[in-house]
Amino acid sequence: EAQVTQNPRYLITVTGKKLTVTCSQNMNHEYMSWYRQDPGLGLRQIYYSMNVEVTDKGDVPEGYKVSRKEKRNFPLILESPSPNQTSLYFCASSPDRGPYEQYFGPGTRLTVT
Amino acid sequence: GENVEQHPSTLSVQEGDSAVIKCTYSDSASNYFPWYKQELGKRPQLIIDIRSNVGEKKDQRIAVTLNKTAKHFSLHITETQPEDSAVYFCAASRPSGNTPLVFGKGTRLSVIA
Repeated sequence: EAQVTQNPRYLITVTGKKLTVTCSQNMNHEYMSWYRQDPGLGLRQIYYSMNVEVTDKGDVPEGYKVSRKEKRNFPLILESPSPNQTSLYFCASSPDRGPYEQYFGPGTRLTVT
Repeated sequence: GENVEQHPSTLSVQEGDSAVIKCTYSDSASNYFPWYKQELGKRPQLIIDIRSNVGEKKDQRIAVTLNKTAKHFSLHITETQPEDSAVYFCAASRPSGNTPLVFGKGTRLSVIA
């Protein structure tokens, strides 16, 4: 089954404790991206990757890191989480080298206390 | 950078009526305009998209129109049904994949049976 998976789906953590949210797709897609969704603000792009070893900043990259060592995986890293990073996070992938016809993962709800 | 404004933020229609959601964008170089539907507690799903080389695209009860001169595009849903109730997001992106996808803040559509 073609899908984008994220883990964990829910996470409660404390300020400053490094965490990683994994994202994996099995569709051999070129483009992958991370978004955060906050009430009243819609979806905002954090980072994206057009190909292996190529990553670029989206609109809200501060406080986040990503890597694209393999085509299928695109983890999101929070080196020192803060309460303002409490949000719903979505990973997405696209078969094209751009944000076209994206498939979204199920989401990860992160709470930082 | 790109800025996408979406209106209205909430919309209620009677079942069977039409619904129209409008978005404006600021970057005249943008040429890809997708619409996503997000049901409560679910991931966003692409329902239709349009590129700037066409002015209108239809898929059954859903249509999107684009006015490049005025820099606005609209989603039209005809013969609305209760299952159309969801939050709808528009977005815009430049031709190169090496640019962010910018979303509007969303429209909550309620279809009243």
